[in-house]
Amino acid sequence: DVKVTQSSRYLVKRTGEKVFLECVQDMDHENMFWYRQDPGLGLRLIYFSYDVKMKEKGDIPEGYSVSREKKERFSLILESASTNQTSMYLCASSPLRGAYGYTFGSGTRLTVV
Amino acid sequence: GESVGLHLPTLSVQEGDNSIINCAYSNSASDYFIWYKQESGKGPQFIIDIRSNMDKRQGQRVTVLLNKTVKHLSLQIAATQPGDSAVYFCAEHNTGKLIFGQGTTLQVKP
Repeated sequence: DVKVTQSSRYLVKRTGEKVFLECVQDMDHENMFWYRQDPGLGLRLIYFSYDVKMKEKGDIPEGYSVSREKKERFSLILESASTNQTSMYLCASSPLRGAYGYTFGSGTRLTVV
Repeated sequence: GESVGLHLPTLSVQEGDNSIINCAYSNSASDYFIWYKQESGKGPQFIIDIRSNMDKRQGQRVTVLLNKTVKHLSLQIAATQPGDSAVYFCAEHNTGKLIFGQGTTLQVKP
């Protein structure tokens, strides 16, 4: 089975901190995605990557950046955390650029205080 | 813009009954559709998918129906069980990405 592992289930950070959310997948998937999930707003795409060193902005990239130095790892970076970035963050991967479902990680619930 | 929506935010059913969760999509060029289940505190899990050249696909206790004429997708769960309580999302594939609906919460009453 494909596994997508997010390094932390719960995280509490202070306003202004630099925050790293890590995601690792073990099935050699080319595509990786970062979403945030908020009540009433559903899943919103932050950034995605189709290959190593590649990144593309999603629908809400402001305040975030990403890094994909290795195929299996896709990191989401909050440069200076703010309280409106308190959310559930979900990482996902998929095998190819074609029409396939995503496999999601368990999520990281980030609270910024 | 594109949107995928579910008709009802919450659906309450009796244990043992069949559940039907509906979804409307807006882009007639979408070629692949998928249903996810998300339990509290967990990430979304794949349930079933269907490609646009099909109108029905069955899994174990679940059936997905696709009506391209009215751009409608539904998920049917047979003999709903307490373990089916979760949020259900539909998603459509378009321009290389999945676009997710808001989600319907399924509550199963004992």
